[in-house]
Amino acid sequence: GENVEQHPSTLSVQEGDSAVIKCTYSDSASNYFPWYKQELGKRPQLIIDIRSNVGEKKDQRIAVTLNKTAKHFSLHITETQPEDSAVYFCAAPATGGNTPLVFGKGTRLSVIA
Amino acid sequence: NAGVTQTPKFQVLKTGQSMTLQCAQDMNHEYMSWYRQDPGMGLRLIHYSVGAGITDQGEVPNGYNVSRSTTEDFPLRLLSAAPSQTSVYFCASSPVGGGSGNTIYFGEGSWLTVV
Repeated sequence: GENVEQHPSTLSVQEGDSAVIKCTYSDSASNYFPWYKQELGKRPQLIIDIRSNVGEKKDQRIAVTLNKTAKHFSLHITETQPEDSAVYFCAAPATGGNTPLVFGKGTRLSVIA
Repeated sequence: NAGVTQTPKFQVLKTGQSMTLQCAQDMNHEYMSWYRQDPGMGLRLIHYSVGAGITDQGEVPNGYNVSRSTTEDFPLRLLSAAPSQTSVYFCASSPVGGGSGNTIYFGEGSWLTVV
């Protein structure tokens, strides 16, 4: 089955700086990689995802990059704002296809004003 | 459109008691799942279902039971609560499995404390 590792576990940045969170996965057949954001006391919500047929996807200040050869994908947040403070989770399919997602252990991002 | 609804939101149990966490979705999603969230451990899959009448185990199924008699409902039963089951529980649904590239929608969570 899939194993997803996420780093770092905590990250503090100054407002306006960039933040990068990296995940590695074990199953080379995995083809879908979403990122979820969880604000304090709230439910996780999808913020961006990428499929294995592209190397990068952007949505305003956030982007995700995928390196299939190295089996890692990263979340990039530019021009960070206090409302970006949250826990971010990466995920990958458990065994591919119509299967559940396996989540990383999360990164707590703090944006310091 | 309520999405995914979980009840109760907060619950305190004594060791050995049993209880059921309720989950209902109104999006006609085939796929439903239960995750538990513990500090530093991320979201770990307990059980999941790909449709009514079909359930399967996830990463941490011991001590939990599920059934899926309808498309809408996916209750999680704690058979004999233990302090190790103190956690936040999230129910989730999606049109098909999250691995197929569909957004997973989470409920608001159920905070369970076992004393």
